[in-house]
Amino acid sequence: EAGVAQSPRYKIIEKRQSVAFWCNPISGHATLYWYQQILGQGPKLLIQFQNNGVVDDSQLPKDRFSAERLKGVDSTLKIQPAKLEDSAVYLCASSLEERAADTQYFGPGTRLTVL
Amino acid sequence: AQSVTQLGSHVSVSEGALVLLRCNYSSSVPPYLFWYVQYPNQGLQLLLKYTSAATLVKGINGFEAEFKKSETSFHLTKPSAHMSDAAEYFCAVSEGIAGNKLTFGGGTRVLVKP
Repeated sequence: EAGVAQSPRYKIIEKRQSVAFWCNPISGHATLYWYQQILGQGPKLLIQFQNNGVVDDSQLPKDRFSAERLKGVDSTLKIQPAKLEDSAVYLCASSLEERAADTQYFGPGTRLTVL
Repeated sequence: AQSVTQLGSHVSVSEGALVLLRCNYSSSVPPYLFWYVQYPNQGLQLLLKYTSAATLVKGINGFEAEFKKSETSFHLTKPSAHMSDAAEYFCAVSEGIAGNKLTFGGGTRVLVKP
């Protein structure tokens, strides 16, 4: 079974530039998550989708971050404009459903460096 | 609101020695608890999870964890450390009423000495 795919793996940009990350979840998984992991910290949920609808985006900085999941499969996360404090690893995860006991499967992440 | 505290950001153990990673949680409802491992430049991999069945949970790679409600703890152990256990470990909690949003602890990095 193929895992969660993410691209690119690494990205370096200047502050105020824009950047986009792509995620392809495990086939058949209805729920998709984007997490931000700052160096030395645990992942923090940014946004959760159930199919193509948003379940939770309470911690997404909506003035600069946006995400979409068209057709309920792939998802993109965008930052515009980027700030220095956005430097982090962005992890995508998916689960079969949004039940509390469902395992979330993580992709390898995209490491973003903002200069 | 749910929260997780992992005591010790770094742990050093000798190969063959006991590995003990501590996790305490705060939750207003019976929680679901998870331990994940992260190897360098990789995503998180599930080690084990507690979902209100047996309080002693066995996971992959010889790890196990015990849910203790009275202590609000879910400590992770492995009887004998192997060099391949060097990684970062994260404890996480999910509250059923809020879907399956995971709240993670700050992580514990394990160093295994030969």
